[in-house]
Formats: sequence, structure tokens, C-alpha cells
Amino acid sequence: KAGVTQTPRYLIKTRGQQVTLSCSPISGHRSVSWYQQTPGQGLQFLFEYFSETQRNKGNFPGRFSGRQFSNSRSEMNVSTLELGDSALYLCASAVRGPSTDTQYFGPGTRLTVL
Amino acid sequence: GEDVEQSLFLSVREGDSSVINCTYTDSSSTYLYWYKQEPGAGLQLLTYIFSNMDMKQDQRLTVLLNKKDKHLSLRIADTQTGDSAIYFCAENTGGSYIPTFGRGTSLIVHP
Repeated sequence: KAGVTQTPRYLIKTRGQQVTLSCSPISGHRSVSWYQQTPGQGLQFLFEYFSETQRNKGNFPGRFSGRQFSNSRSEMNVSTLELGDSALYLCASAVRGPSTDTQYFGPGTRLTVL
Repeated sequence: GEDVEQSLFLSVREGDSSVINCTYTDSSSTYLYWYKQEPGAGLQLLTYIFSNMDMKQDQRLTVLLNKKDKHLSLRIADTQTGDSAIYFCAENTGGSYIPTFGRGTSLIVHP
């Protein structure tokens, strides 16, 4: 079975721009979660989607949004980028959800905001 | 304070055993996980233990769970330079829908 894939792997943007990251979960997994990882804050939960619905949301501003498609693929969008948004963005999938099943992570998208 | 705590660094010599420790606060944890992250990569699930177990062994990895003290450890036998990475402890609880991760322990293995 193929693992979780994320595209692109690397992105460089400038302040004020917006960005869209993509995640394809493991086949059969319906839950997709997004995390932001920075050296200072560690791994922080952004949101989780299941069957095209956002089920849970972390403590991030409204500039961070996401969606999930009927094939379980998910995208996250960050608008009006700030320098502090530079981070590794990780996507994780699970069969039903992270509270009941093991999450499997993708390799991440490294976003650099200049 | 943090719900899951780990020490930040551990340095060992190649061939020795490594023990990475983790403490958590929520007694209703159901699953506890260890993930490994190599430089520039995502998190790779290493192993997990269900809360009704106290030990799990998987090749060079041994997980010990002390529910009374809310303490989890990961022992890596015969540590190799390829084991150098950041190791994350995580817990799933009945009360919180989203797993809680520790800050990660950087394991440095030197020859």
C-alpha cells in the first residue's frame, strides 16, 4: 500500500502571498489531519477532516483553512502569509480518526516565507 | 504545563542501549505511540502500546508502560548511527479527540 503523500515537498513564498498544500491519504483512510511543526513550538494540530467535514480544529487563526474531497484527498490553504508561518506542514491519515486509529504521517511540505 | 513531556536530548555511543523517556498526565490514555523523525522527513510510526499492556517488544525496540506513574519509555538495543533522529511520544485519550505529542527527544549516536 502506498503511504501518505504530500505535494509539493518544498515551497518558498513571500509575505502576503497565499499557498495551497495537498495531501493524499493511504487508500481506505477517511480521516486526514494537518499539523504544523516548528523548532520553537513543536508539533501543533491544525485541523482534522473526515468525509469532507472538518471535525476538529486547533488554535490557529482563520488564515489557515482546509478542505477534503470525496476521494479523501485534502488540501490546506494559508492566506496572507507571515514570516512565522515558515514551518514543516505534516499531514496524517487514519482509517476513521486519530482518537481510535493509528495515524500515519506523510513526509511533509517545507514552507519558507521570505 | 505540557500534557506529554520528554527530555530534549540524548547522546549515546554506537552499540549501547538507548532509553528515551516520556511522561504524560491523562490517566485515560488508551494508546501510546512512539514516532521517529529523521532530518527533513515526516514522522514514522515505530511502535505503539495499548494502555492495558505494560510491555511490548519489537526486534530492537522495547516499550515499557508504567500506568501508575504515567511513564512510558522506549529502549533501543544495540543503537546504530542510523537510529539518530528525533523520537516523539504521543498519547490518545478518551477525553481528547486529537493525540497529544511531546516535543521530541533528539537522539545522537556517535561512533
